Amino acid sequence: NAGVTQTPKFQVLKTGQSMTLQCAQDMNHEYMSWYRQDPGMGLRLIHYSVGAGITDQGEVPNGYNVSRSTTEDFPLRLLSAAPSQTSVYFCASRGTGAFLTNSPLHFGNGTRLTVT
Amino acid sequence: DQQVKQNSPSLSVQEGRISILNCDYTNSMFDYFLWYKKYPAEGPTFLISISSIKDKNEDGRFTVFLNKSAKHLSLHIVPSQPGDSAVYFCALGDYDMRFGAGTRLTVKP
Repeated sequence: NAGVTQTPKFQVLKTGQSMTLQCAQDMNHEYMSWYRQDPGMGLRLIHYSVGAGITDQGEVPNGYNVSRSTTEDFPLRLLSAAPSQTSVYFCASRGTGAFLTNSPLHFGNGTRLTVT
Repeated sequence: DQQVKQNSPSLSVQEGRISILNCDYTNSMFDYFLWYKKYPAEGPTFLISISSIKDKNEDGRFTVFLNKSAKHLSLHIVPSQPGDSAVYFCALGDYDMRFGAGTRLTVKP
């Protein structure tokens, strides 16, 4: 049972570099999302997607891009990394349908990103 | 605009006693409220939820209470066990689910 898989687990970037955080789920979930966790701030929603080809912004979308070409994958792109993007990033997914609210989020184990 | 507030960053209780974690929210339009538990180096995991049409939901040692008039949510853990030591997040919303800052619970043997 893989669930939600995030890669890499750790990453160090220099300011201005770009990278993609990978997220894949094998539960055939239509909904996927990205959160960042910072001390004292909890989990803040970056972007989410309700299905392939559909994405929307969350609470803190600036500096991040996403796309959803398949149901399984939802990569998060940092085009020009900044020290303020140092954080732990979590990808999550859940099923959708008539009982959306009865389907809690399943999280990956996170990617710890440091931007110097 | 912090829609979900967990005002206690930490809580320490003795094993066997009750743990009470609190959460306040500002948007009365939320229909669904959840609690997640997080251990270090892992992603959050779903613990328990409650819909807005209820005021209480129980699952074993865990009970969630909802006071809609006060816009307040609480999680009771009875009896508390050392394995319950973790960070607990309350979460509200639907497609744009919002989380509180979390409360670190420590249960001492």
